[in-house]
This record gives sequence, C-alpha cells and structure tokens, in this order.
Amino acid sequence: GAVVSQHPSWVICKSGTSVKIECRSLDFQATTMFWYRQFPKQSLMLMATSNEGSKATYEQGVEKDKFLINHASLTLSTLTVTSAHPEDSSFYICRRSRRNTENTEAFFGQGTRLTVV
Amino acid sequence: GNSVTQMEGPVTLSEEAFLTINCTYTATGYPSLFWYVQYPGEGLQLLLKATKADDKGSNKGFEATYRKETTSFHLEKGSVQVSDSAVYFCALTQGGSEKLVFGKGTKLTVNP
Repeated sequence: GAVVSQHPSWVICKSGTSVKIECRSLDFQATTMFWYRQFPKQSLMLMATSNEGSKATYEQGVEKDKFLINHASLTLSTLTVTSAHPEDSSFYICRRSRRNTENTEAFFGQGTRLTVV
Repeated sequence: GNSVTQMEGPVTLSEEAFLTINCTYTATGYPSLFWYVQYPGEGLQLLLKATKADDKGSNKGFEATYRKETTSFHLEKGSVQVSDSAVYFCALTQGGSEKLVFGKGTKLTVNP
C-alpha cells in the first residue's frame, strides 16, 4: 500500500487565492520531505526540501514567499501556493526521505494537479 | 551539473510489441540510475535501479543496463501489455544524495 499520501489529487482555484497541499508519511516519521513541480512535457523539478522543525531549503529560482512549506510534524509537510496565478498551474508531487535501511528507494505521493483559473 | 535526457514521447505500441525508451545521463563519478513509472492518477513508483556500471536492473519484465561507456540506461521490455501504459521517468542520484534528477518522462500507450 501507499506509504506517502498526498491530498488533494487535483484542485481548481481562482486567481489570487491560496491553495494548500498536504503530504503525509504513513509508515515512517520522515524528518525530511521533498517537493517537486512538473510542467507539461518537462522533468520533475525539485522545488524545496522540507525539514521538520526548521525552515525549508528552497532551490534556486523558487520563490519562498510564494510557495510556503511547513513541516510541523514528523509525518506531515504542507505546501501552500499563495496568491495563485495561472502560471502556477502545474503538477506538484512530494516524496519522503528514506529510512537508513531503504538504500536508494524513494517513495512519492500521488501528486496534485493544480489549475488556476 | 547532473542531467538526464530521455526520448520524448509519446510512444504508442501494440500489445506484445518490443519497447525501448532511451535514457542518457551526464554526471561526474558514478551515479545511481533509476527508472520510475507513473500510472494514471498515481504517484511515481520505482520500477528498477542500478547502482554501478554493468549492473542490470529488472522488474516486471522490464530491464535496463547501466552502461558507463555510453552513459546510458535504456529501458527495454520484450512484450508490452496494455497495463504497461504509463509515464516512465529516468532519474539519477549522485554520491548517496537523496536529490533525484529526472528526465522529462516518456508517455507510453499500449493498444490492444
């Protein structure tokens, strides 16, 4: 079964509103979660690394005030797209960090399709 | 920096056809290489991996061999099924890092 639960799977919102996406680790208290964004016909791009109990680390070019990340507990990280605009429409996907025993495996959420109208 | 280039899709095949999806990479040293699959409406799942040169990863009839000399990790399957319809991503990590670098993904559609 799924080890990472991401919600919602899709959302449509009006321009100017904010949208929160949740990512839950179901089987492991993950101190780190990763947020990716995928544009049509493009790679998944790492946006930021979410660290429990501390500030997220953002990749170059990602606006931290636009994409707010909160990792309030060991099982939940949230990504909030603030004042969304049509250019924020994209596919967002999270994944949790791996356990020491998992070697190279990576577990992803189901992804969220955001459409801003 | 590290990068992954995979063939652009979409790829449309008939059931039982042979599949190849090309993937090449650019990286220093010896990255670990992966193929992930994303079925419609689902998240990414690891399909197979290889962590050193000449390793062959295999799963569900899919195979890929880590070729250092050609910096490639092409995905193959001898006989595809309708249920293989999905988007396939080639990816790498470097030096134990958890940061995955992805290719653009290749959408495969298999028709009965």
